[in-house]
Amino acid sequence: NAGVTQTPKFRVLKTGQSMTLLCAQDMNHEYMYWYRQDPGMGLRLIHYSVGEGTTAKGEVPDGYNVSRLKKQNFLLGLESAAPSQTSVYFCASRYSGENEQFFGPGTRLTVL
Amino acid sequence: AQRVTQPEKLLSVFKGAPVELKCNYSYSGSPELFWYVQYSRQRLQLLLRHISRESIKGFTADLNKGETSFHLKKPFAQEEDSAMYYCALSIMNTGFQKLVFGTGTRLLVSP
Repeated sequence: NAGVTQTPKFRVLKTGQSMTLLCAQDMNHEYMYWYRQDPGMGLRLIHYSVGEGTTAKGEVPDGYNVSRLKKQNFLLGLESAAPSQTSVYFCASRYSGENEQFFGPGTRLTVL
Repeated sequence: AQRVTQPEKLLSVFKGAPVELKCNYSYSGSPELFWYVQYSRQRLQLLLRHISRESIKGFTADLNKGETSFHLKKPFAQEEDSAMYYCALSIMNTGFQKLVFGTGTRLLVSP
């Protein structure tokens, strides 16, 4: 039981490049979330999903897209990376009957 | 609006000293609060939730609805407690549950 995993762990992009971050969970959780963590700002919700095939915007969705084609996977895409997207990205998931969220190890992204 | 406030960015104490990390919330509904801990460059882990009313690693937190607070306390800090601590409020928004996080407090315990 690996819990919540994220790939890659680190990535450096140039402005304008695109990439996809992958989150996978093996706990059969319905809900999945993408957050970004920035110094002095805590965690802010980017997008979330309440189930396979459904996604919704969080607090800071601009510049990001997501997809949930399979229940266990939640992908976060950056179509044209900007330096303001330099951050640590965390994925989380939870069971529908509980409010506790389980977090992945994070992806450290730098956009030059 | 829903909000979680952690007024201290950094709390520095000596080993063996008592610790209190402050958390205040603003929410019109029935609050459910959590403390998450993040050790250096690791994932966030659940430390406490108010509904369980348990003590984890010597930490306790009591929900005070009158003061809208959920402060985290430990009577004797240890060096291994050094970490980032986030208070989080569970809210319902358009039928969907989400967590609202505070900005975090870094606890530094010196020998």
